[in-house]
Amino acid sequence: EAQVTQNPRYLITVTGKKLTVTCSQNMNHEYMSWYRQDPGLGLRQIYYSMNVEVTDKGDVPEGYKVSRKEKRNFPLILESPSPNQTSLYFCASSLRPLYNEQFFGPGTRLTVL
Amino acid sequence: SQQGEEDPQALSIQEGENATMNCSYKTSINNLQWYRQNSGRGLVHLILIRSNEREKHSGRLRVTLDTSKKSSSLLITASRAADTASYFCATDGGAKTSYDKVIFGPGTSLSVIP
Repeated sequence: EAQVTQNPRYLITVTGKKLTVTCSQNMNHEYMSWYRQDPGLGLRQIYYSMNVEVTDKGDVPEGYKVSRKEKRNFPLILESPSPNQTSLYFCASSLRPLYNEQFFGPGTRLTVL
Repeated sequence: SQQGEEDPQALSIQEGENATMNCSYKTSINNLQWYRQNSGRGLVHLILIRSNEREKHSGRLRVTLDTSKKSSSLLITASRAADTASYFCATDGGAKTSYDKVIFGPGTSLSVIP
C-alpha cells in the first residue's frame, strides 16, 4: 500500500530536549516536505527536499533541521524545542510538487512544555 | 509569506446545497491544487488545475482558475454530510520565491448539516 508514515504520532516533551520525528515513504518519490499546522494559519512549509542530499528552506525553517540521506526517509529534527513549536506536523511526498499530488502522513502532534 | 488565501473562513450549509470556496494568491503560479482535511488528519488531494486551464471537473467538484485575478474557486455540488471538512488551496511559490515551494492557504472549514 502506498503510504507516508510518521513516528511518533503523539509526543509530549520539555523545552530543550532534542527530538526527531521520522518520516518514510514507499512510493519512490523525489520530493518530500515537512509542514506545521496551527489553528487559523493553515499549513506552513518548514523544509522540503527535491532529492537525496538536496534540501531547502520553506517559510518557517527556524528551529528545525532536516536531512535526506536516503530517498525514502526525511526526518525532522528539533535540536532545542521550545513551546512555540507546539503544533501538528505533517510529512508529505510527491513526484513533483504542484505537478503531482502530495501524499500526506497521518500527522504528529507535538507538545513542548 | 502567504500565497494562497481562502474565503470564507467558515461555511455552513444544508445537505444538498452547493458549497463554493475561493482562493486568492499573490504571484504568478504554474499550478494550483485543492486539498481536503478531515479533522486533525492528513490532507487528501482533490484536484489539480494548471495555469493554462480555466476549469476542471472531478465528480461533484468543479474548480475554476482565473490567472488574471489570481484566484481560484472550488465548487462542491449536492453536498453531503460526509463533505464536512476543511478545504485548502495550495500553490507553488511562483517565480519570486520558488516554484518548488508549496504554499497553503489558511483553509475554509465546511460544515454540511444533514
